[in-house]
Amino acid sequence: GAVVSQHPSWVICKSGTSVKIECRSLDFQATTMFWYRQFPKQSLMLMATSNEGSKATYEQGVEKDKFLINHASLTLSTLTVTSAHPEDSSFYICSARDPSGSGNEQFFGPGTRLTVL
Amino acid sequence: GDSVTQMEGPVTLSEEAFLTINCTYTATGYPSLFWYVQYPGEGLQLLLKATKADDKGSNKGFEATYRKETTSFHLEKGSVQVSDSAVYFCAWNQGGKLIFGQGTELSVKP
Repeated sequence: GAVVSQHPSWVICKSGTSVKIECRSLDFQATTMFWYRQFPKQSLMLMATSNEGSKATYEQGVEKDKFLINHASLTLSTLTVTSAHPEDSSFYICSARDPSGSGNEQFFGPGTRLTVL
Repeated sequence: GDSVTQMEGPVTLSEEAFLTINCTYTATGYPSLFWYVQYPGEGLQLLLKATKADDKGSNKGFEATYRKETTSFHLEKGSVQVSDSAVYFCAWNQGGKLIFGQGTELSVKP
């Protein structure tokens, strides 16, 4: 099946620094990728939809200047958390839609645990 | 508004017990419905799906039937195993975006 990877799997950073998370579709080309945030014991909340070659579409309440998304190729989308603070600590998950597949199935990456000190 | 409501966890069962995790949705129209599973330390995996009313999705012994009249998509398994311990998410598709329930943690004891 379709495989999506994320890097890094976990990261610890100091408050005020920026962190970049990569999401790659390994065996298919994804014109659309999604970024989610998951708090402990809670559901996934969609942050933004990333479309290759165009600006990301952010969900209501998500700061686009805080969470920069770049989808420069059909296999890579990046999420940069700028000037991170402890409240940004969370589990970030990406998914990618395989346009060659049936329906609207999304394939999920394993997630990135961000801890901001 | 549009949403998905799942049975709260955690759910603890003994091996070979019957499992039901309730899921109801609020949506306009008739969306596609999904169950995803998240094993410890891993990403979400699609478990099963149904795209229209009365469809039954099934996989790995799990089943769920799309009930339009009750707007439900309850997950069932006749005999759970320890390896089924995970968090289960109900979701529906809204214009290409997935709306998730809050997740239900299942713990199966030997």
